[in-house]
Parts: sequence; C-alpha cells; structure tokens
Amino acid sequence: SQQGEEDPQALSIQEGENATMNCSYKTSINNLQWYRQNSGRGLVHLILIRSNEREKHSGRLRVTLDTSKKSSSLLITASRAADTASYFCATDRSGNTPLVFGKGTRLSVIA
Amino acid sequence: SQTIHQWPATLVQPVGSPLSLECTVEGTSNPNLYWYRQAAGRGLQLLFYSVGIGQISSEVPQNLSASRPQDRQFILSSKKLLLSDSGFYLCAWGPGGDQPQHFGDGTRLSIL
Repeated sequence: SQQGEEDPQALSIQEGENATMNCSYKTSINNLQWYRQNSGRGLVHLILIRSNEREKHSGRLRVTLDTSKKSSSLLITASRAADTASYFCATDRSGNTPLVFGKGTRLSVIA
Repeated sequence: SQTIHQWPATLVQPVGSPLSLECTVEGTSNPNLYWYRQAAGRGLQLLFYSVGIGQISSEVPQNLSASRPQDRQFILSSKKLLLSDSGFYLCAWGPGGDQPQHFGDGTRLSIL
C-alpha cells in the first residue's frame, strides 16, 4: 500500500529560520494533508492540498504538491520555539478510504 | 462545534489482562471513526476504522478488536494483552470524503 515518507526524520533549526519538510508517496492520490503532533498529544490538521493544486498557503505555512514526482513539501517560515513538534503527511486515495500517514519529521526550534 | 473525547489518558496493565478504551464524538452524526497505534517516535498505524454502526474494518490482524455500539462511540478492546500492545493509541473522526481527520488526545498504554 502507498505510504507517505517524510524527509528528514529530524530537523533542528534556530528560531527565525525557515523549516522545510518533504513527503514522498507511491501511488496516485486525491489529496495530501499535513498534520502536527505535539509530544504526547493527538494530531492536529494543518493544511490540505488537492491533487489538482500545486501550492497552498496558510499563515506561515506553505505547502507544495508535485504529482509528477509524487512529492510534497511543507515550509514553515520564521519559525518559533512553539513550532517544535512532529509533522506528518497523510495521503488520501479516494476520500472514502482511510488516510495513510508517514513516519513524521521531528522539528526542534531552538530559541 | 465537534469534539472528541478519549479516555483514559494513561493506563498501565499487566500482560494477559483485558483492555477497553473508549472514544466518543460530540457535535456531529455518522462520522467515520478510526483507531491508530503509534510506537515511540514512529508514525501512525491504522488499526480499525468504521463508516457506520456495527461496521468495522480491520487493517492489521492482531489480538485487538473494535466495536461501534452507537453512532458516535468507538471502543477498542482486547481479551488478553501482550507486551507488544504497548504504545500510544489515538482515536480520530472524520466526516468522510475530502475532509481532514480530527484526533483525540490519545491513551498511553504500558504493559508490564
């Protein structure tokens, strides 16, 4: 089955820098979603990008999708210590099948 | 607004004991419901999902089971826990279609 794979597995940056995380998947998708998880908590949905979209923005978040390369990237601009969390991509094949989550990128933002 | 409740937050159980984790959703009807397990520092493994009362799909064969006795209630159970059942269990709901999922705060299960 398809699976999102995030890259890198871990990322450590200074506050104010930009953070970029990548996600690759294997089969065609209906949409791709990014979630955030603070340590010991549930996941929180950040942004959804559909297969016919190439870029989407939400506040300091910018997501791109390249269906020809089966990849997506999440950019967090002007990072803050509060952005420290794990970030997961999830792919949706048809809207009626469960999401498939990747293993996540652990982001540490150092103040 | 919709909310999801999952309890308990932490649970310590001996090997061979039974398990019952409960998840309820408020503020919506006929949600899709999901149980995931997350090993330490790892991604999410889908265990079960349900698109309606009494309809359960199992993704991973194991000694766990799930039930949906009411529209907004999803229960994860085991008759006899194994050491390998330790982990962080997450319940989630979604309206279906092209919409995101919403997660509970999880249950940290430790098997001794």
